[in-house]
Amino acid sequence: EVRLVESGGGWVQPGGSLRLSCAASGVTVTNTHMSWVRQAPGKGLEWVSVIYSGGSTYYADSVKGRFTISRDYSKNTLFLEMNSLRVEDTALYYCAGDRWSTNWYVYWGQGTPVTVSS
Amino acid sequence: QSALTQPRSVSGSPGQSVTISCTGTSSDIGGYNYVSWYQHHPGKAPKLLIYDVNQRPSGFPDRFSAFKSGNTASLTISGLQAEDEADYYCYSYAGSYAWVFGGGTKVTVL
Repeated sequence: EVRLVESGGGWVQPGGSLRLSCAASGVTVTNTHMSWVRQAPGKGLEWVSVIYSGGSTYYADSVKGRFTISRDYSKNTLFLEMNSLRVEDTALYYCAGDRWSTNWYVYWGQGTPVTVSS
Repeated sequence: QSALTQPRSVSGSPGQSVTISCTGTSSDIGGYNYVSWYQHHPGKAPKLLIYDVNQRPSGFPDRFSAFKSGNTASLTISGLQAEDEADYYCYSYAGSYAWVFGGGTKVTVL
């Protein structure tokens, strides 16, 4: 059974930084296409970033230059480094993935909340 | 990367069918056969319902079906059941290594 568990969320002031983690079991993050998806309060889902199994990374325009997606094989963990955080980054952040495609996600975590507020 | 357009809500009685539309552009839905649909019960992880426009993952009931015509994709839930009450999202590749979700549709079982 595949399990994704996010952590690292919390409260941060505008301009601050946070690092989210997504610990995986039942799947290896380095041979799975992995993404971060967020949901702002009262809003819909928003794709944030993807890292292909081969290592290529891509970002939504709203986070480009501020967020960095990465992974650690030894920890079997996906990360999202978030810098220059804005109030509009406040959301529940999910990690998601699939072995075969970046166009859909079979695996999802439960999410970790991020609040950016002064 | 503008969100795809979905109705905010749809409703139906048990046993009825409901259809959720998802409208995009020729740069996303209309340009690729990479539409997927997710069921999201608040507080839980989203679940993949449909991938590649109309493909169902194994183990998911065939009450859920989907298709695409032009720039609009649609999801139909047949034989509506109480447990189908949830939020539903469409998702599409939008070219240039970007992806976009719909705004979400709340399905209410009356």
